[in-house]
Amino acid sequence: AQKVTQAQTEISVVEKEDVTLDCVYETRDTTYYLFWYKQPPSGELVFLIRRNSFDEQNEISGRYSWNFQKSTSSFNFTITASQVVDSAVYFCALRSGNTPLVFGKGTRLSVIA
Amino acid sequence: DAEITQSPRHKITETGRQVTLACHQTWNHNNMFWYRQDLGHGLRLIHYSYGVQDTNKGEVSDGYSVSRSNTEDLPLTLESAASSQTSVYFCASSGGTYQETQYFGPGTRLLVL
Repeated sequence: AQKVTQAQTEISVVEKEDVTLDCVYETRDTTYYLFWYKQPPSGELVFLIRRNSFDEQNEISGRYSWNFQKSTSSFNFTITASQVVDSAVYFCALRSGNTPLVFGKGTRLSVIA
Repeated sequence: DAEITQSPRHKITETGRQVTLACHQTWNHNNMFWYRQDLGHGLRLIHYSYGVQDTNKGEVSDGYSVSRSNTEDLPLTLESAASSQTSVYFCASSGGTYQETQYFGPGTRLLVL
């Protein structure tokens, strides 16, 4: 069975601090895909990144970076120099085989000015 | 531009009434999904479909039904609304292969009194 754990329920940081959101996943499949979504206060779910199990290269997109480590079954998300606009709930998700996405319970990030 | 829409965006109903939430996508995606989002539970899968005439139960399918008569639409029906079904409902769609990213609609906020 697939499972995603986001152990941090809520995180609060001061603007310009770096913050890392943790994601640990479980699957028996060797081919799988990991995702991060952002849900701002307005409520919509915004896709951020998709990473497949064969590509362990870290990804950077502006102030966002992702660290995928198969050895620890983790796909962590770091925001550098956080801004108030980064305040949102962030979801990590896993898809493998022919099963739908399995989501973690989300981490609520509050960035304080 | 291709998109995924949900209607209504807000709905108030009474216990025992039948309610149908609409989901329409113009990406020509084969796969469509319904999730509900509740505090403390993240996103939980209700039903999903991998093509016309195909429907499958998710984690929390009791009290809900779907039907897929065309590619674009996957309506979600609450047969007899219960207060426990007060939630935010998200529809999503993705392409035909499992690595494809799921894109979400804007959500429907349902209140059952």
